[in-house]
Amino acid sequence: GDSVTQMEGPVTLSEEAFLTINCTYTATGYPSLFWYVQYPGEGLQLLLKATKADDKGSNKGFEATYRKETTSFHLEKGSVQVSDSAVYFCALIFGNEKLTFGTGTRLTIIP
Amino acid sequence: SAVISQKPSRDICQRGTSLTIQCQVDSQVTMMFWYRQQPGQSLTLIATANQGSEATYESGFVIDKFPISRPNLTFSTLTVSNMSPEDSSIYLCSVYGDNSYEQYFGPGTRLTVT
Repeated sequence: GDSVTQMEGPVTLSEEAFLTINCTYTATGYPSLFWYVQYPGEGLQLLLKATKADDKGSNKGFEATYRKETTSFHLEKGSVQVSDSAVYFCALIFGNEKLTFGTGTRLTIIP
Repeated sequence: SAVISQKPSRDICQRGTSLTIQCQVDSQVTMMFWYRQQPGQSLTLIATANQGSEATYESGFVIDKFPISRPNLTFSTLTVSNMSPEDSSIYLCSVYGDNSYEQYFGPGTRLTVT
């Protein structure tokens, strides 16, 4: 079945550091890919998305590129802030089937 | 994007009791989804609720434990019945956005069972 594998956390970085959170997927076709973010005590927010190969999703300084060759959708940010501390979930979906989530990566940014 | 509200935002309940969680959406939607997020874990889909039909439950979840109502196109409830400490989780509802492949989530209901 379809699955999402995320970089295990927790990840701790200093402010202004470069961030990469790895995400790879297994699927029989070409799903739509997402990154969701969950700030402390809150629900999930859609951070960015990509629907086809080579698409780049971006939002709030975060980027992720849909790489069909490596079945990856790694999340990156050039300079993280304390306010980026949260749990990040990679997810995929085919059409209107159910959303499949990765296990989540907890990110902590130290001032 | 859809705006979703949930009530209550959190609750502490005693073992053996039931809690009904409400989910309200600011637009009409066909499908609504209920998820559970156990402490430190990812999200697990409980069921999909379509207006006018029985909810469809995922493996491991049953209607007697998690009855769902879907009386109209903007509202749904999830009841957690005969609760035990293992039911302590965040419960989230979700809907599709304007694009059928995007899902938006409510703020969640944080449930603690003592």
